Amino acid sequence: GDSVTQMEGPVTLSEEAFLTINCTYTATGYPSLFWYVQYPGEGLQLLLKATKADDKGSNKGFEATYRKETTSFHLEKGSVQVSDSAVYFCALYPSGGYQKVTFGTGTKLQVIP
Amino acid sequence: NAGVMQNPRHLVRRRGQEARLRCSPMKGHSHVYWYRQLPEEGLKFMVYLQKENIIDESGMPKERFSAEFPKEGPSILRIQQVVRGDSAAYFCASSPPGQNYNEQFFGPGTRLTVL
Repeated sequence: GDSVTQMEGPVTLSEEAFLTINCTYTATGYPSLFWYVQYPGEGLQLLLKATKADDKGSNKGFEATYRKETTSFHLEKGSVQVSDSAVYFCALYPSGGYQKVTFGTGTKLQVIP
Repeated sequence: NAGVMQNPRHLVRRRGQEARLRCSPMKGHSHVYWYRQLPEEGLKFMVYLQKENIIDESGMPKERFSAEFPKEGPSILRIQQVVRGDSAAYFCASSPPGQNYNEQFFGPGTRLTVL
């Protein structure tokens, strides 16, 4: 079955540091890949997505490129802020009509001033 | 256009009681999904429903858990005789009808605590 492997946290960075959170997947066909962010006590918010190979999703300074050759969708941001502190989830939507989403275990990011 | 709504946001139950979690999908959405998030873990799929039909319940525990999505009203996730291990955040998501790729929109979750 489908699976998503995400780098473990927590990750602690200083403000303005560069962020990378690794995400790799296994799936059949042509899945779509998403990053969600969860702030404390809240639900999941879509951060960015890519629906086919070589697509780049971007939002609020975050970027991720769908790389089929390495089955990866790493999340990056050039300069993190304290307000980026949250848990980040990589998620896979399978190809085809049925959307049983597979989530990674989440990476907690803490940004210190 | 209101998003996915869940209530209650927080629910406290004693062992052996019943928990009922409600989810109102976004307007125009006819597909509902329930996920469970245990502490320090990712979301795990539980069940996928369309109006009056359970499409896939492969992630539901075999006992004590049930879900429905009636023709009228919200989707309900019901947990009978709760145990401490049921303490978790339960998220509902909805998507519009259709057979093609459709993004799921998530609600704020219900945090269940079993004492």
